[in-house]
Amino acid sequence: DAGITQSPRYKITETGRQVTLMCHQTWSHSYMFWYRQDLGHGLRLIYYSAAADITDKGEVPDGYVVSRSKTENFPLTLESATRSQTSVYFCASSRTSGGSDTQYFGPGTRLTVL
Amino acid sequence: EDQVTQSPEALRLQEGESSSLNCSYTVSGLRGLFWYRQDPGKGPEFLFTLYSAGEEKEKERLKATLTKKESFLHITAPKPEDSATYLCAVPKGDSNYQLIWGAGTKLIIKP
Repeated sequence: DAGITQSPRYKITETGRQVTLMCHQTWSHSYMFWYRQDLGHGLRLIYYSAAADITDKGEVPDGYVVSRSKTENFPLTLESATRSQTSVYFCASSRTSGGSDTQYFGPGTRLTVL
Repeated sequence: EDQVTQSPEALRLQEGESSSLNCSYTVSGLRGLFWYRQDPGKGPEFLFTLYSAGEEKEKERLKATLTKKESFLHITAPKPEDSATYLCAVPKGDSNYQLIWGAGTKLIIKP
């Protein structure tokens, strides 16, 4: 089906482990985004990508790494997970620049770091 | 500092009881305001984009309006299926890609 998918949907890991969250979109959108959502906060941008091989930091990038070798995929890696990274992570994509174009969101990954 | 504030945090209504949600913002050079709906366990779903003061958009029981300092999401004769968290966002003043998001209003419609 066309759209934006994330995997896994749920993940439990331990402090210090490396975790990779996957995001795949079938629209060939240029822009892709990673957000985290925590109670009491709005969505906060972690990283974004304007095209394959072009990525940049958002508001809260520390402890995260991204790559984008193909337009359709945008994985997010937590190199050494910490409890403060327990959150719900959303991937989004937009046809043009996310600042003025509609962003379409995946279903989210709920990550728990013990 | 660019900021988006939504109120109230939560709103409980009876089915059919109309009300409004507020999104106030401070950003230099507004380039649009987005409304999204988020159901539990799901990602945000796009509802509306408003670009200039005085603009209005409607979808079923929802109508969004925009002034120079705030936006309202009016809900007319809501049904239980309108229960969700409603989010608003504006483009960050000095960025072409980043949105500033409000914390959302959780709307509960009781049958």
